[in-house]
Amino acid sequence: DTAVSQTPKYLVTQMGNDKSIKCEQNLGHDTMYWYKQDSKKFLKIMFSYNNKELIINETVPNRFSPKSPDKAHLNLHINSLELGDSAVYFCASSQVYVTNEQFFGPGTRLTVL
Amino acid sequence: KNQVEQSPQSLIILEGKNCTLQCNYTVSPFSNLRWYKQDTGRGPVSLTIMTFSENTKSNGRYTATLDADTKQSSLHITASQLSDSASYICVVTLLGNAGKSTFGDGTTLTVKP
Repeated sequence: DTAVSQTPKYLVTQMGNDKSIKCEQNLGHDTMYWYKQDSKKFLKIMFSYNNKELIINETVPNRFSPKSPDKAHLNLHINSLELGDSAVYFCASSQVYVTNEQFFGPGTRLTVL
Repeated sequence: KNQVEQSPQSLIILEGKNCTLQCNYTVSPFSNLRWYKQDTGRGPVSLTIMTFSENTKSNGRYTATLDADTKQSSLHITASQLSDSASYICVVTLLGNAGKSTFGDGTTLTVKP
């Protein structure tokens, strides 16, 4: 069984479009995250949700809006896509009040043309 | 500002050789330190996790050490294999209910035959 899954795996779109990436975890964790990994392979946190509530919101353009319908899902919606949004986006989950070990999804490679 | 710095940025070694990756951090108060391995095209996977009171943790050929006084950690890889080629990321988590983690920029290891 996949622990943390993301869809789609690849996403190619035109500048200005709106797109969403979905994430689901079946680990029963209470916290989920979105990370952006750029071409230099640096992994940067974007958002963190604990029990459906936003707890970390790093400096991210407000074109990015996370939505957590329930503890097992954290979707990322991106408006008015720009060239600089091209990157690999990783979803992760953890149990914060235990070790906070984060389990990562396989990533979504977003290419904005 | 809480930081996690890793060195070297990249490393090339021959198959069968040992190597050591370094991680220095200023994160405080400290909860735990984790090393992740990220294969190309995949999400990071946890190798080891150490709390403040632990100074060494092994996972097969991977051995992590932690000196909480000097705020340094190392990841030692013994008898390297081609499959060890990956990025290795050091992650330090803050103590507290936010569980915020700071990621290092990673060390890219290439193992050549």
